[in-house]
Amino acid sequence: GIQVEQSPPDLILQEGANSTLRCNFSDSVNNLQWFHQNPWGQLINLFYIPSGTKQNGRLSATTVATERYSLLYISSSQTTDSGVYFCAAVEYGNKLVFGAGTILRVKS
Amino acid sequence: EPEVTQTPSHQVTQMGQEVILRCVPISNHLYFYWYRQILGQKVEFLVSFYNNEISEKSEIFDDQFSVERPDGSNFTLKIRSTKLEDSAMYFCASSGQGVMNTEAFFGQGTRLTVV
Repeated sequence: GIQVEQSPPDLILQEGANSTLRCNFSDSVNNLQWFHQNPWGQLINLFYIPSGTKQNGRLSATTVATERYSLLYISSSQTTDSGVYFCAAVEYGNKLVFGAGTILRVKS
Repeated sequence: EPEVTQTPSHQVTQMGQEVILRCVPISNHLYFYWYRQILGQKVEFLVSFYNNEISEKSEIFDDQFSVERPDGSNFTLKIRSTKLEDSAMYFCASSGQGVMNTEAFFGQGTRLTVV
C-alpha cells in the first residue's frame, strides 16, 4: 500500500515567520488531505487537494500529483498555529493513510 | 456548519470490559469510518462502512471490534473485551462519497483509557 512521509518531523518558529511542510507519497493518489491537530486532539480539515493549489487565509497548499508530493505553506505564523500537521492520502479503496505528522511550535 | 459529533469525549474503562463509542456523522453523508491514534503516534485506519456493511477493514480491526448503524443517525464502534493496548484516541469520520473522490470530515475524538 501507499507510504506517506512528512518532513520535517519537528519545526520551531518565531511568531510571524513563514514555513513550508512537505508530504511525499509513494504512489499516485486519488485524494490528499491536510489536517491540523490542535492541542485538544481534534483533527481540523485544512485542505482537500488531490492536485493543484488552494489558499485559505494565511495557509495555502499545493499538490503536484505527477511528482508525488504536496506542500503546506503557513505565512505569518501565530501561536495558535501550533500543533501537529498531518497529510493523508488515498491510493485506492476507502481509507486515508496518514503520515507521521509535523509538530509545529510557534513561539511568541 | 455540519460536523461529526462523538460521545463521550473521554472514557475510562477496566480491562476486559465492553465499551461502545458513539458518533453522529454529517447528515447527508453515506460513508462512515473509524480511525484510532495511540498517544504520540500516527492516525491509523480501522474500518469503513457503507450501505450498512463493512466495506474495508484493517488488520487492527479483529473480532474484538464491531461497528453498527443502529438507526438513521448514529454510528457506533464496540470493543468487546478491552485490553490495555486499546487505549487511544478514536476518531469517527464521514464523507459524502468514498474517500477516493471526496473529502472526509472527522469528529473531535473519544479518548479511551483502559486501566
